[in-house]
Amino acid sequence: KAGVTQTPRYLIKTRGQQVTLSCSPISGHRSVSWYQQTPGQGLQFLFEYFSETQRNKGNFPGRFSGRQFSNSRSEMNVSTLELGDSALYLCASSGGGSGSTDTQYFGPGTRLTVL
Amino acid sequence: GQSLEQPSEVTAVEGAIVQINCTYQTSGFYGLSWYQQHDGGAPTFLSYNALDGLEETGRFSSFLSRSDSYGYLLLQELQMKDSASYFCAVKARMDSSYKLIFGSGTRLLVRP
Repeated sequence: KAGVTQTPRYLIKTRGQQVTLSCSPISGHRSVSWYQQTPGQGLQFLFEYFSETQRNKGNFPGRFSGRQFSNSRSEMNVSTLELGDSALYLCASSGGGSGSTDTQYFGPGTRLTVL
Repeated sequence: GQSLEQPSEVTAVEGAIVQINCTYQTSGFYGLSWYQQHDGGAPTFLSYNALDGLEETGRFSSFLSRSDSYGYLLLQELQMKDSASYFCAVKARMDSSYKLIFGSGTRLLVRP
C-alpha cells in the first residue's frame, strides 16, 4: 500500500504571496489532518478533514484554509504569506473512525520557506 | 488550556535504557500516543495508551498514569538508529470531536 504523499516537497515563496500544498492519503483513509512543524514548537494542529468536511480546527488565522476532495485528497492554502509561515507542513491520514486521533500516518512534508 | 511537557533533549549510551517523560494538562483526556521522527523524516507511530499501565512493543514500552497525568516512553537496548525526536501526543475530546495535541518533542541522542 502506498504511503501518504505530499507535493511539492520544497517551496520558496515571498511575503504576500499565497501557496497551495497537496496531500494524497493512504488508499481507503478518509481522514486527513494538517500540521505545522517549526523548530522547538513541535507539531501544531491546523485542521482535519473527513469526507470533504472540516471536522476539526486548530488555532491558526483565517489565512490558513483547506479542503478535501471526494477521493480524500486534500489541499491546504495559505494566503498573504508571512515570514513566520516558514515551516514544515505535514499531512497525516487515518482511517477516520474516531477522528484525527486514530493512528496518524504522516507524509514526508512540504518544506515552505518564505522570503 | 491544554499543555504537554517533555524534556527537550536526552542523551544516552548505546545498549542502555532511557526513559522519556511526558506530563500533560488537558480536559477531556482520552489517551496518550508516542511518535518517533528522524531528522528529515516523517513522524511514525510508536504506541498508544488509553488505560493505566505499561504497553510493550519489542524494545519500546509506554506507560500511562491517568491519575498523575503522566506517561513515559521507555527505550531498551538502545541502538544508534534510535537517535531521533520523540513526541508525546494527547488524544482529547473537545466540544463534539477529538483532537490530537502534540508536545514539542524530546531529541534523543544515542552515543556509542
